[in-house]
Amino acid sequence: AQSVTQLDSHVSVSEGTPVLLRCNYSSSYSPSLFWYVQHPNKGLQLLLKYTSAATLVKGINGFEAEFKKSETSFHLTKPSAHMSDAAEYFCVVRPPNSGYALNFGKGTSLLVTP
Amino acid sequence: DVKVTQSSRYLVKRTGEKVFLECVQDMDHENMFWYRQDPGLGLRLIYFSYDVKMKEKGDIPEGYSVSREKKERFSLILESASTNQTSMYLCASSTLGAGVYNEQFFGPGTRLTVL
Repeated sequence: AQSVTQLDSHVSVSEGTPVLLRCNYSSSYSPSLFWYVQHPNKGLQLLLKYTSAATLVKGINGFEAEFKKSETSFHLTKPSAHMSDAAEYFCVVRPPNSGYALNFGKGTSLLVTP
Repeated sequence: DVKVTQSSRYLVKRTGEKVFLECVQDMDHENMFWYRQDPGLGLRLIYFSYDVKMKEKGDIPEGYSVSREKKERFSLILESASTNQTSMYLCASSTLGAGVYNEQFFGPGTRLTVL
C-alpha cells in the first residue's frame, strides 16, 4: 500500500523562525497529497492539498508545500512561525485508484517557543 | 461551512459494554468515515461508507461495526468494548465531486476510555 513517512515526530522552532516539516511518500504514480493540522482538543483541519495543477501549493495561515516528484517529497514550510502554529501536523496521501481511502502519516508535533 | 458533529466529546465505558458513537454531517456528503487516533500511530481507518446502507472495511475493522441508515448519519458500534479500544475516535465526511482531490472534513472527536 502506498504510504507517507513523516521524518520527524517532533519539531521545535523559535517564534519568528522558519518552519520545515518533512514528508516523503511512496508511490509509482503521482498521488493526491494533503497536509492537515490538529490543534489541541480540536478536529483536523485541511491546510493545503496538491492537485497536480502546480508543484508549489499555498495553504492557509501562510503555509505552503512543494511537490517534488524526483524526491517523492511534499515538505511543509512557513517563513515565520507564530505561537498559534503549535499543533500536530499530518501528511496524508490518497493513492491513485484507491477510491476513498486516505493514508495518514504518524504526525509531527510542532512546538513554538517564545 | 461544512459541519461534522459527534455525539460526545468524552465517554467512559466499562469492559463488555456495547458502545455507540454517533456522527452527523450537514453538507449532504456521500462519503463518511470512522478513524481512531492513537499517539505515534496517526489516524487509522476503521470503516467507511459511500452511500446509505453501504459500508467498507478499513484497515482495522476488528471489534467494530457501523450503521448508515440515513445519508447524514454514520454510527460506529463497539459490540463489546475492551480496554484496547480506549482511543480518540474521529468521524469525517467528503463529497464525491472533484474526484481524488476531495478533502475530508473532520468532527472534533470522541475520546473514549474503556475501564
